[in-house]
Amino acid sequence: AQSVTQLGSHLSVSEGALVLLRCNYSSSVPPYLFWYVQYPNQGLQLLLKYTTGATLVKGINGFEAEFKKSETSFHLTKPSAHMSDAAEYFCAVSYLSGNTPLVFGKGTRLSVIA
Amino acid sequence: GAVVSQHPSRVICKSGTSVKIECRSLDFQATTMFWYRQFPKQSLMLMATSNEGSKATYEQGVEKDKFLINHASLTLSTLTVTSAHPEDSSFYICSASSGNTEAFFGQGTRLTVV
Repeated sequence: AQSVTQLGSHLSVSEGALVLLRCNYSSSVPPYLFWYVQYPNQGLQLLLKYTTGATLVKGINGFEAEFKKSETSFHLTKPSAHMSDAAEYFCAVSYLSGNTPLVFGKGTRLSVIA
Repeated sequence: GAVVSQHPSRVICKSGTSVKIECRSLDFQATTMFWYRQFPKQSLMLMATSNEGSKATYEQGVEKDKFLINHASLTLSTLTVTSAHPEDSSFYICSASSGNTEAFFGQGTRLTVV
């Protein structure tokens, strides 16, 4: 079975500050890991994903995440927060690519303060 | 990326009536589609997985007679909420996959049962 734990349901940062959203996973097989962003009443937009290969993954909007197998983590970072980054962020895991469903964390709501 | 269109984006229906939600893959053939449900301020929970031409596989606790899923073609899956009640009010999101790539999400449907 797979599971995802996102530490902190809400994170508030100042504009220009570092964003760090934490994600730890549990998987009995090599995981595929994803970060999604959701704006109110909208679907999910893929920020980045890790399947195999390079453990530092760069995504859209300046976000990146690093897969650390020893720590079973896949934390999402952005060096400088922008007001437009305020949204809900979900970490997800699956054990294959498209044909298997995603298991989502509970999400972290990011607020950006001017 | 690939486009998945979900319709309607919002629907209000009376208690006891049925509502159909459509999920279309616009530029690829979706061999597998997933339906998720999201309660306010909560994560996405997988309801069912459907493969084209086959019966959907429902997650434990999801009533298959209440949430009818049809995946009759490679570009269309539908979710019908039958005899809807206020507790069925939620945000429903579909995702579609062609197999080798990640699944792409629709925009979601906000269902309100009054």
